[in-house]
Amino acid sequence: ILNVEQSPQSLHVQEGDSTNFTCSFPSSNFYALHWYRWETAKSPEALFVMTLNGDEKKKGRISATLNTKEGYSYLYIKGSQPEDSATYLCAFRGSQGNLIFGKGTKLSVKP
Amino acid sequence: SAVISQKPSRDICQRGTSLTIQCQVDSQVTMMFWYRQQPGQSLTLIATANQGSEATYESGFVIDKFPISRPNLTFSTLTVSNMSPEDSSIYLCSVVWGEGGYTFGSGTRLTVV
Repeated sequence: ILNVEQSPQSLHVQEGDSTNFTCSFPSSNFYALHWYRWETAKSPEALFVMTLNGDEKKKGRISATLNTKEGYSYLYIKGSQPEDSATYLCAFRGSQGNLIFGKGTKLSVKP
Repeated sequence: SAVISQKPSRDICQRGTSLTIQCQVDSQVTMMFWYRQQPGQSLTLIATANQGSEATYESGFVIDKFPISRPNLTFSTLTVSNMSPEDSSIYLCSVVWGEGGYTFGSGTRLTVV
C-alpha cells in the first residue's frame, strides 16, 4: 500500500512568519509530486507539479523543493499572510497514474 | 485549465436515501475522476469515469454503492446510494489538464443523519 505522509497536521503562525511543511512519499516508481492549496468550500488549487529530483519551484511567496531519492518534498511560505490560511495537500503520482494524497497540513495565519 | 462546476455544494440527507452529485466541465475531457475525503482522512480515489464505458472502481468501492454515469465528454454524475452516516464526506470530481495537472470541482459536503 502506497503511503503519503504530511507533517505537521496543523500549524498556527503569526502574520509575517515564514513556515514550511513536509510531504513524504514512496521513492520508487515516482512520476510526479503535486502540491495543492485547498480553502474551505473552494476547489483545490494547483500550486506545483514537480517531476525532477532536485526541482525547486516558486510561485510568489510560496516555493517547493523535491528529493525523489529519499522521498520527500518541502513547501515553504515566506512572510505568511492571513489569506494563506488553507489546507495544503501533497499528492504522489506513481507510474500507475493515480494521485495518492496525504491528509494535508492545515495552516492558520493570525493577523 | 478546465473549469468544473459541481453541484450540490452541500447537502444533509437521511440514512437510506441516495444523493446524485453532478460535475460539468467547460471542455471535453477523456477521463473524469471521483474522490472522497472522509473526516480526518486523505482524499481517496473512488473511480475513474470514461465516456462510453463503465467506470473503473478502486479497491473498496463498488458500483452498486457508487454508480457513475458519463454520458458525454463534459459531464458526469456520482450517486451515493443507500447512505449511512459513514458516507458523510466531501466528494470531489477532477479532470487532468495540460502537463499532468489536475483540476477539481469545488466539492460536495455531504452529511448523513
